[in-house]
Amino acid sequence: AQSVAQPEDQVKVAEGNPLTVKCTYSVSGNPYLFWYVQYPNRGLQFLLKYITGDNLVKGSYGFEAEFNKSQTSFHLKKPSALVSDSALYFCAVRTMFSGGYNKLIFGAGTRLAVHP
Amino acid sequence: GAGVSQSPRYKVAKRGQDVALRCDPISGHVSLFWYQQALGQGPEFLTYFQNEAQLDKSGLPSDRFFAERPEGSVSTLKIQRTQQEDSAVYLCASSLEQRGGRSQETQYFGPGTRLLVL
Repeated sequence: AQSVAQPEDQVKVAEGNPLTVKCTYSVSGNPYLFWYVQYPNRGLQFLLKYITGDNLVKGSYGFEAEFNKSQTSFHLKKPSALVSDSALYFCAVRTMFSGGYNKLIFGAGTRLAVHP
Repeated sequence: GAGVSQSPRYKVAKRGQDVALRCDPISGHVSLFWYQQALGQGPEFLTYFQNEAQLDKSGLPSDRFFAERPEGSVSTLKIQRTQQEDSAVYLCASSLEQRGGRSQETQYFGPGTRLLVL
């Protein structure tokens, strides 16, 4: 069965420090991987995706993620955190053969808290 | 340009009441998805439309849930005889996916409708 795990419910970092939000996946076939961010009372905003090619993917707001096939991971990173990055982050996956459309499976989410 | 919009943003219903939730996708987007997000959880897939055709409704939790997209644009998710366990945020997403392709397209989400059943 396809699944996504975000092992940390919450991540706390100081402003200006690097941040990492972890994601591991389990799928059959090659994965398409996504990161979304959710601010309070808002919908999900797309940050970045990995489809194929370079394992390091750059996205919106200075975020990047590294696809690691051997470790089945897709961790979200940012070199220098901002207080405004505080939000709920979701990792999601779909496989290439899930019926030809982009049905996503989400992790439970990680709450990122950046303190001044 | 305009993103995905949903209405109402908040809905309070008495148990047993029917509700209808509306989604306006991004203009021209072929694919439309509904997800349910329970408190403290990630979104879970409910159903998928490609234009007006409902191709996957495997995630609908019961036959009280019904979705339609009659003209291939606006979609409505209807919940009949609401129960307390239906309380959640209902998210709509759309993407510019072509029929039959191995899609790499991104799904763009609306702000959601928060449903509270008392």
